[in-house]
Amino acid sequence: KAGVTQTPRYLIKTRGQQVTLSCSPISGHRSVSWYQQTPGQGLQFLFEYFSETQRNKGNFPGRFSGRQFSNSRSEMNVSTLELGDSALYLCASSIIPGLAGEADTQYFGPGTRLTVL
Amino acid sequence: GENVEQHPSTLSVQEGDSAVIKCTYSDSASNYFPWYKQELGKGSQLIIDIRSNVGEKKDQRIAVTLNKTAKHFSLHITETQPEDSAVYFCAASSSAGGTSYGKLTFGQGTILTVHP
Repeated sequence: KAGVTQTPRYLIKTRGQQVTLSCSPISGHRSVSWYQQTPGQGLQFLFEYFSETQRNKGNFPGRFSGRQFSNSRSEMNVSTLELGDSALYLCASSIIPGLAGEADTQYFGPGTRLTVL
Repeated sequence: GENVEQHPSTLSVQEGDSAVIKCTYSDSASNYFPWYKQELGKGSQLIIDIRSNVGEKKDQRIAVTLNKTAKHFSLHITETQPEDSAVYFCAASSSAGGTSYGKLTFGQGTILTVHP
């Protein structure tokens, strides 16, 4: 079974531009979470999508947004890029648990390295 | 919200030695604790995880222990090999729903170096 794929792997943008990153989850996985990884802040949760709905959001400004499609693929968008948005953006997919309600195992993609100049 | 502290930030061992990385968490509602290994260009690989109804879990050279009372969990790697060199992250999550949906709270990471 193929793993989580993210495109593009590397991206260079300039301040003020916007960017869209894509994530394809493992087949059969319906939840996608996004994280930002920087040397200073570590790995921080951005948001989570399930059934095309954002169920949870981290403490990031409104410039960060996302969406999920009916095939569970997800995109995240960052508008008006700032230098501080330079980071590794990771997405993770998981199967939605059943009635047992257990926190689910997340499988990560390789990430998209965004550099803002 | 949840806060996860991870120590040490760097760890250097000789091949064949054991390595131990420790994490503490703050939210008593957390009930799922995965460990990830991150290597350049390879992404973050889940190496082992433990749920709060279990105190210890082992997979070959890797083991994780959980102390719910003290709110800490540890990763143990025995007989280390150079290919174990990587950055290791611990994380915590809750199945409570709401603001917990799909959210892992990570520790700051440990750079493990195994010298041949």
